Amino acid sequence: QKEVEQNSGPLSVPEGAIASLNCTYSDRGSQSFFWYRQYSGKSPELIMFIYSNGDKEDGRFTAQLNKASQYVSLLIRDSQPSDSATYLCAVDLYGSARQLTFGSGTQLTVLP
Amino acid sequence: DVKVTQSSRYLVKRTGEKVFLECVQDMDHENMFWYRQDPGLGLRLIYFSYDVKMKEKGDIPEGYSVSREKKERFSLILESASTNQTSMYLCASSFGEQYFGPGTRLTVT
Repeated sequence: QKEVEQNSGPLSVPEGAIASLNCTYSDRGSQSFFWYRQYSGKSPELIMFIYSNGDKEDGRFTAQLNKASQYVSLLIRDSQPSDSATYLCAVDLYGSARQLTFGSGTQLTVLP
Repeated sequence: DVKVTQSSRYLVKRTGEKVFLECVQDMDHENMFWYRQDPGLGLRLIYFSYDVKMKEKGDIPEGYSVSREKKERFSLILESASTNQTSMYLCASSFGEQYFGPGTRLTVT
C-alpha cells in the first residue's frame, strides 16, 4: 500500500462543475497536508495547506481534512478550463517537520 | 514571495560527463530538497539538506551527490551521467510547506 494515495484519474468535469480530488495517507501521526497544482511541463505550485480537521476555504478551493479517517480532499468549485492540471497531495508522514511524501497525482481536465 | 531558482531550464549532456545542477532560494529556509520526476513514477526524493553542510539521502540517491556550502544554495551533482538519469529535476526549499523551482529538464545522450 502506498503511503500517500490519490484517486487514479484522469478526472474530467464540465466547466462550472465541482471537481473533487481525494487523498488518503497511511500514518495517523501526520500533521500537515498540502495540495499542489502542476501544469504540464511546469513545476508544482502550492495552492493550499491544512493542519486541522474540517474545511479550509480559499477562493474557489476548499481543502477538507478528516484525521480519524486519514483522508484529505480538495474541492474546486466553478471549475474552469485553466484548472486543468495534475493535482498532487503531500503529507508530512510520521509528523516529520522536514519531509513531505507526495502522492502520484490526479490529472484533472475541465471541459469547456 | 518565495523564490527558488535553478541554474538551467534545459540541459543536454553526454554519457559519462559530470553534471552540476544548482538551486538558490531567497527565503532563508533551512530545508532544501532535490527531486526527480518521471512519467508514471511521480516525484522521487534524491537528497535533502536541513542545514549548511548537512545532507541526507532520500529514496533514490544512487548515482547522485549533493553539496550545501551556503544556506541559500543546494547543488546536485551527477558524477558520471547516464541515460537513465534523463529526467526533470526539481529543487524545493521549505520551512513547513515546500516551494519548488522551475525545474531542469536534463537529457543525457
